[in-house]
Amino acid sequence: NAGVMQNPRHLVRRRGQEARLRCSPMKGHSHVYWYRQLPEEGLKFMVYLQKENIIDESGMPKERFSAEFPKEGPSILRIQQVVRGDSAAYFCASSPKVAGGPTDTQYFGPGTRLTVL
Amino acid sequence: ILNVEQSPQSLHVQEGDSTNFTCSFPSSNFYALHWYRWETAKSPEALFVMTLNGDEKKKGRISATLNTKEGYSYLYIKGSQPEDSATYLCAFWGTYKYIFGTGTRLKVLA
Repeated sequence: NAGVMQNPRHLVRRRGQEARLRCSPMKGHSHVYWYRQLPEEGLKFMVYLQKENIIDESGMPKERFSAEFPKEGPSILRIQQVVRGDSAAYFCASSPKVAGGPTDTQYFGPGTRLTVL
Repeated sequence: ILNVEQSPQSLHVQEGDSTNFTCSFPSSNFYALHWYRWETAKSPEALFVMTLNGDEKKKGRISATLNTKEGYSYLYIKGSQPEDSATYLCAFWGTYKYIFGTGTRLKVLA
């Protein structure tokens, strides 16, 4: 059973470009979480999704950031008009729907390291 | 203001020593507490999900306890081995908030 997959592993963008980060959850997992780790900082929650539904986006910046988890295909974290401050490691995690939500074990992907020039 | 604090920040122990770390979190609106082990250049690996006051969980030489009324959890490692060297993270999930601590960096010396 393959683990959580993220691609690309490294992404370089120039200021003003768009960044698309993909997360394929483990087989059978219907919940996805996105986290960001800024340089010299800890992990910060961004958004929690289940298929076709955003459950909690309280950690998402209000502008330029969006996330989706369609019925088919990976979850996408999209950053429009990137700025240098968006440079970070972006991790996604997935969980099965057992109890549903924060009481389920989360399995992390390897992360995407975004560098904005 | 919600805050999750872990202590100590870093720790060096000799192989074979037992050790423990603390995670302090808000005692209100508690939903779950997660412990992760995070090795350098890898991704966080789930250790425990704890939900009930008084919970005790164990996985091999690692165990954890939970006190939701006073807002703390302890992680214990018995007989530390060099392969236990990692950062140990706790994460608090409260109502509409999921907050990570900054971690305890453990180095086990052979």
